[in-house]
Amino acid sequence: SAVISQKPSRDICQRGTSLTIQCQVDSQVTMMFWYRQQPGQSLTLIATANQGSEATYESGFVIDKFPISRPNLTFSTLTVSNMSPEDSSIYLCSVGASGRYEQYFGPGTRLTVT
Amino acid sequence: TQLLEQSPQFLSIQEGENLTVYCNSSSVFSSLQWYRQEPGEGPVLLVTVVTGGEVKKLKRLTFQFGDARKDSSLHITAAQPGDTGLYLCAGDRGWYGQNFVFGPGTRLSVLP
Repeated sequence: SAVISQKPSRDICQRGTSLTIQCQVDSQVTMMFWYRQQPGQSLTLIATANQGSEATYESGFVIDKFPISRPNLTFSTLTVSNMSPEDSSIYLCSVGASGRYEQYFGPGTRLTVT
Repeated sequence: TQLLEQSPQFLSIQEGENLTVYCNSSSVFSSLQWYRQEPGEGPVLLVTVVTGGEVKKLKRLTFQFGDARKDSSLHITAAQPGDTGLYLCAGDRGWYGQNFVFGPGTRLSVLP
């Protein structure tokens, strides 16, 4: 299994600002995913980030609001732009490997927007 | 519309009891996974089931994938307080982990 770290682990941000969340993996992986988990809720996939191509966003999520970078096979960032209190959530990155079923998660970033 | 349903939503039991959690859908999945999530942490993968009718055991946990690959169950024997957590099932709508959808989760509390 891969070891995944996220920065920051938590943050409190003001309405209208942006926050970039980093996801670092200890090995090269093909696929990286970004999820949102609202308080007391399950996980919702925001986008899939594959190295060398544009991120693929799920319905309800747009690049202007959640720009994603994937500069190499071990790193990705998710930016939450122009934040509002509704963006308060846990943001999780996960990784998978082509041809494998398993998906492994980072510890998450707990974001509170005031 | 929730693609995956889980039941029960909440479950509180005494240590030593047995329990079953269900994950149901009208959709067919290429694989299905179960995760456990504890507060402040990301979900941890417990098992992946791929073949219809497949049964997998992980110590006191038994996982079954429905014959039609639309549903799954998780049975815990002699539950322990360490089993407490949020149990999530996730179905892969693509192939080889490309497009997961998560169920709403079952929050289990095992009391000593």
